[in-house]
Amino acid sequence: QQQVRQSPQSLTVWEGETAILNCSYEDSTFDYFPWYWQFPRESPALLIAIRPVSNKKEDGRFTIFFNKREKKLSLHITDSQPGDSATYFCAAKGNTGKLIFGLGTTLQVQP
Amino acid sequence: EAAVTQSPRNKVAVTGGKVTLSCNQTNNHNNMYWYRQDTGHGLRLIHYSYGAGSTEKGDIPDGYKASRPSQENFSLILELATPSQTSVYFCASGDDWGGGEQYFGPGTRLTVL
Repeated sequence: QQQVRQSPQSLTVWEGETAILNCSYEDSTFDYFPWYWQFPRESPALLIAIRPVSNKKEDGRFTIFFNKREKKLSLHITDSQPGDSATYFCAAKGNTGKLIFGLGTTLQVQP
Repeated sequence: EAAVTQSPRNKVAVTGGKVTLSCNQTNNHNNMYWYRQDTGHGLRLIHYSYGAGSTEKGDIPDGYKASRPSQENFSLILELATPSQTSVYFCASGDDWGGGEQYFGPGTRLTVL
C-alpha cells in the first residue's frame, strides 16, 4: 500500500514552460512534506518543504501548493531549465516519525 | 566537504557472504537512516537510529542488521547476502526525527552474485 503517491511517473516539458508534479497522501496525521530531487548517479537532496499550516511555499522558481482537505500537493517549477531534469520525490512524515517517500516523477526539460 | 560519507562505494558480494556497509557523518546529527533504492520502489527505509547504541527497524528490515557504535558511525550488515539485496544503499543523517532535512550520503552500489 503506497501511502504517498506521485503522478505522473514521467514528464517532459520544453525549456521555459511550467512543470507540475503531483503528490497525494492517505494519512491525515502527516505533518511535514519535503520534496527531494535526485540527479542521475547522485544522491537525493532536499529541494523544498512545507508544513500543513501553510497552503503555499515558494523558493525561487519552485512552489509547493498544498490542499489539506483533499490531501494533495503539487510542485510547480516555473521557467523550467534543462538543469532541472531530475527525479523528484515527494515525501511525508507523520506521527511515526519516519519519512515515507513516493515513487518519484522523472522530469525531462527539453532545450 | 561531504558531511555524510559511505564506504565502499561499490561492492560485489557472493550469495551467502557477509557484507558490511559503513556510514560516517560529521553533521553531529542524532538521527541516522539506511535506505535502499530500487527502480519501481523508490526509497525504502531499512533501519534507523536516534543515537549511539540505538537501532530501530524500518519498513523492510528483514535480512539486515544495523549497528550504531557512535554518534558518527552507522553500519548496515547483511549476514547472509542474497541476490535480492542487490541495490543502491543510501545512508542519511538528520537533526530532527524525520522532520528536519535529511542529508544523504553518495550511496553504495551493491551487487550480490
